[in-house]
Amino acid sequence: QSVLTQPPSVSGAPGQRVTISCTGRSSNIGAGYDVHWYLQLPQTAPKLLIYDNTNRPSGVPDRFSGSKSGASASLAITGLQAEDEADYYCQSYDSSLSAWVFGGGTKLTVL
Amino acid sequence: EVQLLESGGGLAQPGGSLRLSCAASGFTFGAYAMAWVRQAPGKGLEWVSTIINSGTSTYYTDSVKGRFTISRDTPQNTLYLQMNSLRVDDTAVYHCAKLGGLITRNWYFHLWGRGTLVIVSS
Repeated sequence: QSVLTQPPSVSGAPGQRVTISCTGRSSNIGAGYDVHWYLQLPQTAPKLLIYDNTNRPSGVPDRFSGSKSGASASLAITGLQAEDEADYYCQSYDSSLSAWVFGGGTKLTVL
Repeated sequence: EVQLLESGGGLAQPGGSLRLSCAASGFTFGAYAMAWVRQAPGKGLEWVSTIINSGTSTYYTDSVKGRFTISRDTPQNTLYLQMNSLRVDDTAVYHCAKLGGLITRNWYFHLWGRGTLVIVSS
């Protein structure tokens, strides 16, 4: 059971918009800690997608955007492409656990 | 090219030990905190341990405290994870990661290595 809760899977057709939620609690996202997002293609290392809730590292397309409100955060992907099919993870810090924590991951399927 | 390359994984028996290494290149290793993150087969990501840039402070997830030790050799641009008293549930791909961010608790995993597989089995 992950500290941050993500839907196990989401799907969308090419060109559509999908969102992935990340729900925390008062000891992590709700406490004001930043949320970061990662993408992991099969059999590859994770890659930073969004940092500090809303910022994209250089090279990440602006089709990817992040937001945070209260104890939850979301990743939005617009103009869905086949190569977006991957696992997506959110990450934050939890003060009760004194640990950096991840969501359980969401598998995105492009139909 | 900025790169992290892990090594040292393999098969170990329960109760055994392994030492993982992570060779860093392409950036000023001594300027950054570093971490280990693991991924059990078919499972999600789990933070294991972090060491600050100076090496004077370390952090561990509860399940590895007292068994794993993170360290760094800055002149050699290398990060280590000494794993003792290994358990079956330590089986995972272990990734090293370069941390980013200004505030410790808001650190994120900026750059990842491909990982090294550790299998703990009798």
